[in-house]
Amino acid sequence: DAGVIQSPRHEVTEMGQEVTLRCKPISGHDYLFWYRQTMMRGLELLIYFNNNVPIDDSGMPEDRFSAKMPNASFSTLKIQPSEPRDSAVYFCASSSNTGGPRNEQFFGPGTRLTVL
Amino acid sequence: RKEVEQDPGPFNVPEGATVAFNCTYSNSASQSFFWYRQDCRKEPKLLMSVYSSGNEDGRFTAQLNRASQYISLLIRDSKLSDSATYLCVVNVAGFQKLVFGTGTRLLVSP
Repeated sequence: DAGVIQSPRHEVTEMGQEVTLRCKPISGHDYLFWYRQTMMRGLELLIYFNNNVPIDDSGMPEDRFSAKMPNASFSTLKIQPSEPRDSAVYFCASSSNTGGPRNEQFFGPGTRLTVL
Repeated sequence: RKEVEQDPGPFNVPEGATVAFNCTYSNSASQSFFWYRQDCRKEPKLLMSVYSSGNEDGRFTAQLNRASQYISLLIRDSKLSDSATYLCVVNVAGFQKLVFGTGTRLLVSP
């Protein structure tokens, strides 16, 4: 299996620009998670989906952030407009609901975002 | 107060040493516990689950103390390849949502 795929791996943009991050979960997994990691705050859950439906978006910092999952094999995280404080590594992860809460989450390689 | 707290380290130890990390969690409803490992500039990966009775996986031993709400990870006979950040992770019953600590950095030197 190819694992969780994220693109782009690196993104450098200017303040005010729209940024779109993409994720392809592991085939057959029905949960998808978006995280943000910074040195100061560590790894924070932004939003997660179950069967393409958003379940908990309480971690989304503000209205500038939006996430979609149009089908089981694709999700996007969009920031519009971007700000320098959005600079972080954004991870996508997926898991399968076959064994309850002990299911392992598999992470993608992350997108390193820099907003100038 | 953070939901999951860890000493950020770094812990600098020589090869062959034994090292232990602790982690505390605030939500008494937490039901599942894990240690993830994250190498520099890489994604987190599951190291091991933590069971109530404690569990061992080779050189790694995990313990859970529900009364005091802390979790520990013991690494015996440290290897250079153990150098990484170790993330303490908890999950509240009934939810897939995981809460990560900020991690403890381990550096193993020759």
